[in-house]
Formats: sequence, structure tokens, C-alpha cells
Amino acid sequence: GQNIDQPTEMTATEGAIVQINCTYQTSGFNGLFWYQQHAGEAPTFLSYNVLDGLEEKGRFSSFLSRSKGYSYLLLKELQMKDSASYLCAVETGANNLFFGTGTRLTIIP
Amino acid sequence: DAGITQSPRHKVTETGTPVTLRCHQTENHRYMYWYRQDPGHGLRLIHYSYGVKDTDKGEVSDGYSVSRSKTEDFLLTLESATSSQTSVYFCAIKEGHQETQYFGPGTRLLVL
Repeated sequence: GQNIDQPTEMTATEGAIVQINCTYQTSGFNGLFWYQQHAGEAPTFLSYNVLDGLEEKGRFSSFLSRSKGYSYLLLKELQMKDSASYLCAVETGANNLFFGTGTRLTIIP
Repeated sequence: DAGITQSPRHKVTETGTPVTLRCHQTENHRYMYWYRQDPGHGLRLIHYSYGVKDTDKGEVSDGYSVSRSKTEDFLLTLESATSSQTSVYFCAIKEGHQETQYFGPGTRLLVL
């Protein structure tokens, strides 16, 4: 089976940095996606990693280690609007995208 | 915005009734997907389509059927709704060189 683990909840302070971890054990690996989902809304695409290393996109960065089955999403200069759930998803085949249960991030002033 | 709409956005129905949810896209995407999202489970794939009249099952397909008679529409049908099918349903398309999935706004379904 597929197993994708991420913390259920995290809290961080406005202006600070937070790292959301994701570990996975899957049958096959084509790439790893991070999505952001605000309460009551659809997930929106944040980042994609297929090779080991860091991908930076503005305040958000995502890291992947395929050998360790590990990824993290790094959010810098946190803003109140970053309060949301962050979903880690692994693509194991052409049309197989498996999601973790998501990490609910709360930003406090 | 990947040009995806879902209808209805909210629906309340009774156990045993048939329900059809519609996903409509305007950008000629080949791949379309139906997911459900429940607390503690994350998003789970129900069915997907890779072209007109070409569909396949996902992880949680029991109790659901789909149809795609034209490129722009992907229909999800609950033949006889059960309370366990109360959920939020998201449609998605795939685009770009990374083949990223983009989601529609979702349909909240309550089966009483």
C-alpha cells in the first residue's frame, strides 16, 4: 500500500519560518507535489519536486530526498493568510496521485 | 484558474436516491479526475478519464460510476446514495509539462 505521513497540526508566528515535513513509502515514485488548501476551498498547487534538492519559489521552498522518502515545505516570512492546510502528494504512476491527510497550519500574531 | 466548474456546489439528498455531479472544463484537457475528501483521509481518487469514453477506476470507486461523452464534461454518478458518501467532491484536470493536477471548486454532498 501507499503511506504518506505529515503532522496533523502546526502553529507558527507571523514573520517567522516554518517547515512542514512529509515522509512517504510508496510503490513507485514519479514526483512529489505540495498543495495549499484554505478552509472551505479547493487545493491550489504550490510546488513540484522530481529530483533531489531544493526548489525555491518566492517565500515557499520545497525539498526532496528520494533515497530517504522525505520532503519538506519551507514557508518564510509567514503571513496570516498562510493559515491553511498543506497537502503532500506523491505520484506513483501515470494517473496515481496519493495524498497525505494534510497539515493544518495556524499562524498567530 | 484552469477553467473548471462543478455543479451543483452544494446538494442535500436522501439515502437511496441517485445523484449526478458534473465537472465542466473549457480548455480541452485530456485528463479529468474525481476525488473525495473526508476528515482523516485526505483526498482519494474515485475515477479518472483519459479521453472521451475512456475511464478507469481509482482507489475508492465502489458505489460510483462515471461517464465522459464529450471532452468538456465528466460526470460522477452515485447510483444509490448512502450516508458514507457524504463528502466533499473535487474534480481535477492535468496540465503542463509537470502534469500538475488543478482542482475545481468542489461540491459538498450531504446524504441523509
